[in-house]
Amino acid sequence: KQEVTQIPAALSVPEGENLVLNCSFTDSAIYNLQWFRQDPGKGLTSLLLIQSSQREQTSGRLNASLDKSSGRSTLYIAASQPGDSATYLCAVFGSARQLTFGSGTQLTVLP
Amino acid sequence: SQTIHQWPATLVQPVGSPLSLECTVEGTSNPNLYWYRQAAGRGLQLLFYSVGIGQISSEVPQNLSASRPQDRQFILSSKKLLLSDSGFYLCAWGSLWMNTEAFFGQGTRLTVV
Repeated sequence: KQEVTQIPAALSVPEGENLVLNCSFTDSAIYNLQWFRQDPGKGLTSLLLIQSSQREQTSGRLNASLDKSSGRSTLYIAASQPGDSATYLCAVFGSARQLTFGSGTQLTVLP
Repeated sequence: SQTIHQWPATLVQPVGSPLSLECTVEGTSNPNLYWYRQAAGRGLQLLFYSVGIGQISSEVPQNLSASRPQDRQFILSSKKLLLSDSGFYLCAWGSLWMNTEAFFGQGTRLTVV
């Protein structure tokens, strides 16, 4: 059964800092990996989708990488801003045709 | 573009009462549809998913059921709510082969009292 782990569980950084969020998964037979953002009490907003054949995806200040063989992904946020404060979730879509989520990293960017 | 509607946004129900949460998708066909629950301070737990009309897979034994009466409609139900059913319920859809992003509704905050 697929398991997804996110480290750290919480992270607090000063504004302007670059940061990396980590995601690991146990079954490398995935179709894709997706990073989401969740604001308190809200639904999930898709940030980046990486297909299993891709190594990375970029959107603005966000860059996500995927190493499928080692079961790892990272989300890099450049020049962090207070508005980036949220919980970041990674999820993998595998052969069972289900999205399996990690428990998330709660990010706080201090002004 | 694809949109997903989920309602109601907030619901307070007494123990033992029935439940019906509805999710509809626009702008796509043959979507995979999912119901997730997020308990306070915990991750997203997959409850049900559906790959087509009338096709429901349950991930965890529970007090809830799901139905898909139409291609773009997914309903989460309960005959008698328990206190432990409280949580944040999210509906999501993905393309048949998940080659595009999964999209989530804005969620329903259910409090069972």
